[in-house]
Amino acid sequence: KNEVEQSPQNLTAQEGEFITINCSYSVGISALHWLQQHPGGGIVSLFMLSSGKKKHGRLIATINIQEKHSSLHITASHPRDSAVYICAVRSNTGNQFYFGTGTSLTVIP
Amino acid sequence: DAGITQSPRHKVTETGTPVTLRCHQTENHRYMYWYRQDPGHGLRLIHYSYGVKDTDKGEVSDGYSVSRSKTEDFLLTLESATSSQTSVYFCAIRPGLEFGELFFGEGSRLTVL
Repeated sequence: KNEVEQSPQNLTAQEGEFITINCSYSVGISALHWLQQHPGGGIVSLFMLSSGKKKHGRLIATINIQEKHSSLHITASHPRDSAVYICAVRSNTGNQFYFGTGTSLTVIP
Repeated sequence: DAGITQSPRHKVTETGTPVTLRCHQTENHRYMYWYRQDPGHGLRLIHYSYGVKDTDKGEVSDGYSVSRSKTEDFLLTLESATSSQTSVYFCAIRPGLEFGELFFGEGSRLTVL
């Protein structure tokens, strides 16, 4: 059983398109994280959310606690956004995190 | 950048040999984690630590042991490496705050032949 499910698994977009990646989770959480991993690279934290919405540049993350769902949006996508995006939740019953399997995004010029 | 260093970054070893991966932090964060990343799986927790000499098992702890004798260092040991332990290993740290952010090391790629 996967505590965190992401969709889609793979996504190809044309440069400039608006992109949405979805994350659903089944456990009680204290926070949700969106992470980015470039091919062969390390993992970078993009957002940490416990409610509402956050925006960094062209990236927007939202969370609906009641529906146990979060979305990551990328506006005006660019080839440098090509990466794997990972959703992670921190359980509210301990110090552990649960991770989705990631969404592989390719943005074509 | 969070001050996390993993070593070695790449290692090739043979089945049955011991291997130790090191995670070093300069942030004085309380929590440290070891994960493995494999195709088709999300990051899976091997062990984590919530303080010096305080560690606990994760979901894939069999075949691994850890030690944390200092706040800044968290060691992951494979006592006798197997081919199923070929993976990319990530260390992560988090401050002891309710909403502390999670920071990752660059990863250590281990190949067991």
